[in-house]
Parts: sequence; structure tokens; C-alpha cells
Amino acid sequence: DIVMTQSPDSLAVSLGERATINCKSSQTVLYRSNKKNYLAWYQQKPGQPPKVLIYWASTRESGVPDRFSGSGSGTDFTLTISSLQAEDVAVYYCQQYYSTPFTFGQGTKLEI
Amino acid sequence: EVQLAESGGGLVQPGGSLRLSCAASGFTFNTYWMHWVRQAPGEGLVWVSHINPDGSSTNYADSVKGRFTISRDNAKNALYLQMNNLRADDTAVYYCASVAHSYSWYDYWGRGTLVTVSS
Repeated sequence: DIVMTQSPDSLAVSLGERATINCKSSQTVLYRSNKKNYLAWYQQKPGQPPKVLIYWASTRESGVPDRFSGSGSGTDFTLTISSLQAEDVAVYYCQQYYSTPFTFGQGTKLEI
Repeated sequence: EVQLAESGGGLVQPGGSLRLSCAASGFTFNTYWMHWVRQAPGEGLVWVSHINPDGSSTNYADSVKGRFTISRDNAKNALYLQMNNLRADDTAVYYCASVAHSYSWYDYWGRGTLVTVSS
């Protein structure tokens, strides 16, 4: 199984400042034939299911604010929130869909 | 509007059984892979099982293999998870989630149903 490791486990950022969450996979999630990274980011607010923010490592889901961006390739990925808003308080998860079983990072709790 | 609605959770004793259901609407259910993902209280997300669009292929996490059975009824737009021989460490919120292709992200999630295994 591919192990996904996020850092940090928790993060406190001031309103309007940048938040950066890292995700590392134990093996590549880059599929060479189509040059796509099989990596998604989700946001989960308390009492709610996860919601996809980013897929293919850097493609923003429709309706997701452009302050959210994803980057990276191979085994190292980053989710960046360029200017933190109060409504961004949540737990963020990375997930690989390169191989089964699909696996998630342990989550990063983002606070103000 | 896409909707996934889980039901069937509750309190069950160790060794007991439950059947979870997930009612789907707003998308072409019979073309989607469907997954169950669980989240223990205060913990992260863990994949449990998945089934392909026509129901002919299934897969399970090692922790539930031999105890859980996933199935679907495309005529009813419904997904199921039969859980037998439940253990305390099966306690979690169980989400159904849809995947458009075999290797794709989770595009829709239900709100989850809580399963508590305790005596």
C-alpha cells in the first residue's frame, strides 16, 4: 500500500496569511504514460463529509476559491492557501488514487 | 443535484451485524465506482471497500475482509455494506463516496452514518 504522510499535523495561521500543507507519498503517484499525478486534496469541516478541493495534484475543483492551489509531482506535494479566511478552518487530507487501496494522509488541522 | 444518503447505522454489540445502505440520486449511478470510507471518532479517513459499476468486482481492506460484503442494486440506485462479526474497532462514521472512473478522486460523499460497536 502507498503510505501518505502529511506535515505538519496542525498549523495555526493568521487571517490573510499563507498556509502551506505538505504531503509525501511512499512511492510515486505520477503515471508516466499520461504524465498525471494521481493525487487529490480534501477539506473536512467539523460534522461534515470531506469535500474535494484539488485533483490531478493541481486542478482546482469547480467552485473552489482560487486562493487554494496544489503543486508538486512524483512523491512530494503541497496545498497552499494564499490568504487564509475564517471559513478555511478545517482538517485537510491528501489522497492518492494511483493504486488500490486508495490511501489518505493522516490529516492536517488548520486553525486561525 | 447529486445526493448520497447513508442509513442503517446504530449501536450494535460485538459480534453483531448491521447493513448499511446508501441511496444515490442526481447522477448516472450505474457508471460510477462506489466506495465505503470510514472515520473513527477523532481519526482520519480510511478506505473500506469498493465495487465496480456493474457489481462484478469488489475489493476490501484487510481489516474487514471476510466480515464485510459490499453490493449494489443499480435498478434502485443503491449501495450496501453488510457488516458481520463487528468489533469495537469498527466503530466509525461510514461514508459512501462516488468515483467516476476506476482510478479517480472521490467526487461526491454522503453525510455518513455512525456505527458504534459496544457492549
